[in-house]
Amino acid sequence: DVKVTQSSRYLVKRTGEKVFLECVQDMDHENMFWYRQDPGLGLRLIYFSYDVKMKEKGDIPEGYSVSREKKERFSLILESASTNQTSMYLCASSGYGYTFGSGTRLTVV
Amino acid sequence: GQNIDQPTEMTATEGAIVQINCTYQTSGFNGLFWYQQHAGEAPTFLSYNVLDGLEEKGRFSSFLSRSKGYSYLLLKELQMKDSASYLCAAGSGAGSYQLTFGKGTKLSVIP
Repeated sequence: DVKVTQSSRYLVKRTGEKVFLECVQDMDHENMFWYRQDPGLGLRLIYFSYDVKMKEKGDIPEGYSVSREKKERFSLILESASTNQTSMYLCASSGYGYTFGSGTRLTVV
Repeated sequence: GQNIDQPTEMTATEGAIVQINCTYQTSGFNGLFWYQQHAGEAPTFLSYNVLDGLEEKGRFSSFLSRSKGYSYLLLKELQMKDSASYLCAAGSGAGSYQLTFGKGTKLSVIP
């Protein structure tokens, strides 16, 4: 069964901390995506990657960066976490449509 | 630009039929997806339409009209477990297959 795995289901971090959200897929997909999902706003694209070491900004990249050193792994980095980054973060990889990870609910206090 | 519209909320009765509509304006459109998302969980794939017409999968069907920029998801014989958000997503971009999502329709199934 194909999988997208996010390293943490729930995470609590303090304001100003550097936060790493990890995502691994086992489908040999080239395309990977990071979204955040907030009530009333839906899924908003933060960053995506079409290949190793490639990255593209999505609709809301401010305050985030990404890393794609290996094809199967796409990491989202919050350089200095802020309370407005409290959200559900979803990773996806795409071949035929998207396969999503289980999500990470991040709370910044 | 990309724009996806779908109703925010709907309520339907167990055993009934419900239709969730979606309109889209997407440059480079190459397919329409529907996802189901239960509260606190990740979206899961339901259906995909690339050609005009109806695709049926058990109790769920999805329709696409490319000329009208319109799709709907039809759920028959509703069950309580169908209470969830339903996301419409339009695909674009040759090769990359990037999806633009609507904000989702929260469906509540009542007894």
